[in-house]
Amino acid sequence: EAQVTQNPRYLITVTGKKLTVTCSQNMNHEYMSWYRQDPGLGLRQIYYSMNVEVTDKGDVPEGYKVSRKEKRNFPLILESPSPNQTSLYFCASSLLDRATEAFFGQGTRLTVV
Amino acid sequence: DAKTTQPPSMDCAEGRAANLPCNHSTISGNEYVYWYRQIHSQGPQYIIHGLKNNETNEMASLIITEDRKSSTLILPHATLRDTAVYYCIAFPWNEKLVFGKGTKLTVNP
Repeated sequence: EAQVTQNPRYLITVTGKKLTVTCSQNMNHEYMSWYRQDPGLGLRQIYYSMNVEVTDKGDVPEGYKVSRKEKRNFPLILESPSPNQTSLYFCASSLLDRATEAFFGQGTRLTVV
Repeated sequence: DAKTTQPPSMDCAEGRAANLPCNHSTISGNEYVYWYRQIHSQGPQYIIHGLKNNETNEMASLIITEDRKSSTLILPHATLRDTAVYYCIAFPWNEKLVFGKGTKLTVNP
């Protein structure tokens, strides 16, 4: 089954404690991206990657890092999480020439206290 | 990207057609109309897109007016599982996704 898998689904952590949210897709998609969704602000892109070892900033990259060492994986790293990064996070993937027909993961609800 | 306007909420009876309108009066010639939906905090799901012709797939139909200033997403036989927030967005091909507030569709038994 074609899918984008995020882990964990829920995470509560403390300010400053580094964390990684994993994302994996099984569709051989070149394009992967991370979004955060906050009430009243909609879905905003954090980072994206057009292929292995190619990543770029989205609209709200501050406080986040990503890597793309393999085509299927695109982890999101919060080196020093802060409460304003409490949000619902989604990973998405698509073919490079169909970035707007994206498959989304189920989401990771992160709370930073 | 063209601004889109959708009603904040709609109701539909189960088994009936759900017609979700979207206004995009400032759409430019190279901008497509996309529809996504999001079922309660799950990841958004792509539904359909179009440029100027009407489109149909296994999930829905998209009707775009001749002047392209508005469109309607049609779910022909709505089920309870179609209860979701539906997003209409207009932007050029292959640009990153930006979602607005959408229409919360509630399908009632």
